[in-house]
Amino acid sequence: NAGVTQTPKFRILKIGQSMTLQCTQDMNHNYMYWYRQDPGMGLKLIYYSVGAGITDKGEVPNGYNVSRSTTEDFPLRLELAAPSQTSVYFCASRRGEGYQETQYFGPGTRLLVL
Amino acid sequence: GDSVTQMEGPVTLSEEAFLTINCTYTATGYPSLFWYVQYPGEGLQLLLKATKADDKGSNKGFEATYRKETTSFHLEKGSVQVSDSAVYFCAVDGYSTLTFGKGTMLLVSP
Repeated sequence: NAGVTQTPKFRILKIGQSMTLQCTQDMNHNYMYWYRQDPGMGLKLIYYSVGAGITDKGEVPNGYNVSRSTTEDFPLRLELAAPSQTSVYFCASRRGEGYQETQYFGPGTRLLVL
Repeated sequence: GDSVTQMEGPVTLSEEAFLTINCTYTATGYPSLFWYVQYPGEGLQLLLKATKADDKGSNKGFEATYRKETTSFHLEKGSVQVSDSAVYFCAVDGYSTLTFGKGTMLLVSP
């Protein structure tokens, strides 16, 4: 049981380039999330999904896109990278709705945009 | 919307000192409350949680009590260790999503 896995661990992008951050969970969780964490700041929610085919915007969705074609995968797409997107990105999942469900986090992807 | 306020860090303690990290929240209804911990270079992991008023969550010597009257969920540990050095996040459950505080860094010296 690997939990939540993310690839790559680290990436350097040039301004204007595109990339996809991969996230996979093997716990059959319905809910999945993407956060970004900037130095000295908490986590900010980018997008989330409550099931395959369903996605919704979080607090900071601009500049990102997501899709959820399977229960296991929830990739995050950056179309035109900007220096403001330099951050650490965390994917998370949890089983389903309700007030008691724990979120499980991946190890993170560190992205540097130059 | 929901919000979480944590005390700013870093909190610097000597080994075996008593720890308190304050957390207050605003939310509607009766949300669950969580403390997550992030060790250097890692993702967040659940430390403890409480699901209703007056519940006490506990794990690895850490405790926090859900105080609805003061909308607080303060984290405490009686005797910290060097290995407790990490960033601690308080979070409130908004049903579909969690709202996190900004995190409090704890540094424990030998």
